[in-house]
Amino acid sequence: NAGVMQNPRHLVRRRGQEARLRCSPMKGHSHVYWYRQLPEEGLKFMVYLQKENIIDESGMPKERFSAEFPKEGPSILRIQQVVRGDSAAYFCASSPGLDSYNEQFFGPGTRLTVL
Amino acid sequence: TQLLEQSPQFLSIQEGENLTVYCNSSSVFSSLQWYRQEPGEGPVLLVTVVTGGEVKKLKRLTFQFGDARKDSSLHITAAQTGDTGLYLCAGYSAGNNRKLIWGLGTSLAVNP
Repeated sequence: NAGVMQNPRHLVRRRGQEARLRCSPMKGHSHVYWYRQLPEEGLKFMVYLQKENIIDESGMPKERFSAEFPKEGPSILRIQQVVRGDSAAYFCASSPGLDSYNEQFFGPGTRLTVL
Repeated sequence: TQLLEQSPQFLSIQEGENLTVYCNSSSVFSSLQWYRQEPGEGPVLLVTVVTGGEVKKLKRLTFQFGDARKDSSLHITAAQTGDTGLYLCAGYSAGNNRKLIWGLGTSLAVNP
């Protein structure tokens, strides 16, 4: 039973380019969460999605950032026109749903470096 | 704003010692989760506590949820170098299990 998969593990982009981060949830999980983590800082919630729906995007910057979780395929976190301040580790977590303890299981993360 | 405060922020001990780290809040949580994160990896879920006063044991790790469900502690007995990592607590506030509230973590270093 594979865990949460994220790719790529490391991503280097120049300022102004686009970054696309992918997350495949655990089998049977229909809820996906994206977090950002900076050194010496905690996990910052970005967005919570279910299949084809954005449930809560209150932690997502209003510009340049978007997320989707299509009916088929992985969840995508997209950052357009990246800036140096976007450099961070981005984690995806999945959970089976709200009728359980809604435990979240994390992927290994994507480390984004913006040059 | 609901917060989870973790203490101490940093802890460095020798192998074989015991330690306790804390996760405190002024708010009530319906459940609390403890994670451990190693450098370069994602957080790994260790345990979920849901009942006030609950105690759960995972080998040398003992987790406790406060009676009022506002705080939790993690006790490690006879620490090993493999216990080194960042210990994070996170909880769902009462009536809202959609969005986890996170602490900033306790960074533990166990020295040989």
